[in-house]
Amino acid sequence: AAGVIQSPRHLIKEKRETATLKCYPIPRHDTVYWYQQGPGQDPQFLISFYEKMQSDKGSIPDRFSAQQFSDYHSELNMSSLELGDSALYFCASSISVQGYSEKLFFGSGTQLSVL
Amino acid sequence: GENVEQHPSTLSVQEGDSAVIKCTYSDSASNYFPWYKQELGKRPQLIIDIRSNVGEKKDQRIAVTLNKTAKHFSLHITETQPEDSAVYFCAEGSDKLSFGAGTTVTVRA
Repeated sequence: AAGVIQSPRHLIKEKRETATLKCYPIPRHDTVYWYQQGPGQDPQFLISFYEKMQSDKGSIPDRFSAQQFSDYHSELNMSSLELGDSALYFCASSISVQGYSEKLFFGSGTQLSVL
Repeated sequence: GENVEQHPSTLSVQEGDSAVIKCTYSDSASNYFPWYKQELGKRPQLIIDIRSNVGEKKDQRIAVTLNKTAKHFSLHITETQPEDSAVYFCAEGSDKLSFGAGTTVTVRA
């Protein structure tokens, strides 16, 4: 079965550079979530989109932005990168049933290293 | 996460024994409680979930119990095997999930 696809798998950037992470949700899933997971930490919610509109926002820095496109893929844009942005970034998708989106399916993540 | 407390942070069990992880939550409106297993360097994988209208759910060696009054839910793994070694996260919420801090489970052969 198709899963959530994230690219790239690994990304190395220097401080103050920009990065773009891409996520392709499971077909027919209408909601996309972005999570940031630091080493040894639990996933922290950044932002989500439902039907291409931002649906919720968590602890996402102002330097980050995201959007969901007409084909439902999503991109997380990160500017002015800092060392502390080094983390594993997961995208997850879900499908709404009777107004609720519950089961999240995660992509394999993008490991971002900021040097 | 702020909304969910998870204990213990580490758990070492002998192969064949049971493992129990407990989580408490604060939002009485929470109605969905999944558990994720994350192996080193891999994505969180949903292993079992429970909704607030159910007190217990079982899937082979894995079971989850929910006590809405006390606002806690637990994961039970019976007859543990070495491949059960991983980090387990509880979570709560509908739509976006808030995760517990995780429990590193080590099954000793």
